[in-house]
Amino acid sequence: QITLKESGPTLVKPTQTLTLTCTFSGFSLSTSGVGVGWIRQPPGKALEWLALIYWDDDKRYSPSLKSRLTITKDTSKNQVVLTMTNMDPVDTATYYCAHIWSGYDVFDYWGQGTLVTVSS
Amino acid sequence: QSVLTQPPSVSGAPGQRVTISCTGSSSNIGAGYDVHWYQQLPGTAPKLLIYGNSNRPSGVPDRFSGSKSGTSASLAITGLQAEDEADYYCQSYDSSLSGYYVFGTGTKVTVL
Repeated sequence: QITLKESGPTLVKPTQTLTLTCTFSGFSLSTSGVGVGWIRQPPGKALEWLALIYWDDDKRYSPSLKSRLTITKDTSKNQVVLTMTNMDPVDTATYYCAHIWSGYDVFDYWGQGTLVTVSS
Repeated sequence: QSVLTQPPSVSGAPGQRVTISCTGSSSNIGAGYDVHWYQQLPGTAPKLLIYGNSNRPSGVPDRFSGSKSGTSASLAITGLQAEDEADYYCQSYDSSLSGYYVFGTGTKVTVL
């Protein structure tokens, strides 16, 4: 059974760096074809893909946010970490991590999400 | 900045059939990349509904079906039920700008 759970601060100040951790179980990020991605959703708005890391450490980023994002993995801890620099109130959103089924490039398992508010 | 366009809302009476369109371009759906659909019930995380254009994961009722043609895809819900009231998103891959994953603008389905 695959599960994922996001953790991190619920409130960050403008210009600060956000660090979110995705802790998962039921799969290994050392297995060929496996990946974990991050997706966010501002209140009342659509989903937006942010970043993805594969088992072989291949990393992909949203073109519009690439300069602000870093994604890393700790295979031994079953964790993926996303950092986003220079946070702004427009970055207020629920942040989700999800398992990607690379055979179809589809996010088949999602975490419950964590709401991050950017405010001074 | 979604590059996949969906209608903001669709509605139907219980038992009716509704369809949701997802319009892309030659660098995503039109390039042959698969389209997937997610259902998001109020206050919950998205759930995979359709993958690979027309495949249902285990447990998804056969009232939900997907199709793809050219630069567009569609999700159909037949025999609409009250529990289907939710937001629906399409998703694909775009090969421009070194490649990235894209979601649709989202569609709110209302059961009248």
